Amino acid sequence: NAGVTQTPKFQVLKTGQSMTLQCAQDMNHEYMSWYRQDPGMGLRLIHYSVGAGITDQGEVPNGYNVSRSTTEDFPLRLLSAAPSQTSVYFCATRNTFQGEQYFGPGTRLTVT
Amino acid sequence: LAKTTQPISMDSYEGQEVNITCSHNNIATNDYITWYQQFPSQGPRFIIQGYKTKVTNEVASLFIPADRKSSTLSLPRVSLSDTAVYYCLVGGPGGYQKVTFGIGTKLQVIP
Repeated sequence: NAGVTQTPKFQVLKTGQSMTLQCAQDMNHEYMSWYRQDPGMGLRLIHYSVGAGITDQGEVPNGYNVSRSTTEDFPLRLLSAAPSQTSVYFCATRNTFQGEQYFGPGTRLTVT
Repeated sequence: LAKTTQPISMDSYEGQEVNITCSHNNIATNDYITWYQQFPSQGPRFIIQGYKTKVTNEVASLFIPADRKSSTLSLPRVSLSDTAVYYCLVGGPGGYQKVTFGIGTKLQVIP
């Protein structure tokens, strides 16, 4: 079991570029989410999904898009990167009816 | 979700027991209390979850008083490897759809 995987681990973008952060899980969890973590701050929820075809916004959704076409994958898209999106991004999954979340290793994104 | 308050930082010497208290005055009847641990450059990791009284696992204990307005995470005989940020979360199975972690408590274990 790989658990939760994220790619890439590191990425540098120029302002205005677009990219997709990948998240995949093999635990058959319905719930998946994306967080960002900035220095000295906790994790802030960007978007989440409670199942294939169902997504919703978290605390800080602006500038990010998501879709959920399969149970396994939950990509996060940055359509036009901005320096304010420089952060570490974590993907997480859980069984819908339990509180324990499983986190991926993170993607460190720098936007110049 | 119920708002939580916990100390920003704590220091402890190796071998001591560490207690981190979290306040959650507006906890709802069906809310559970969950603690996570995060090491630098890693995602948070689940430690323990409870509803009331005391829960113990191989890593920690969680003490919850009868009024459930606070909870205490207890780490026995900490080592340097326990240096991390610890987050307290409160919510029910449905309420966990939107989970916010707050700043957490940064525990520094001193040799």
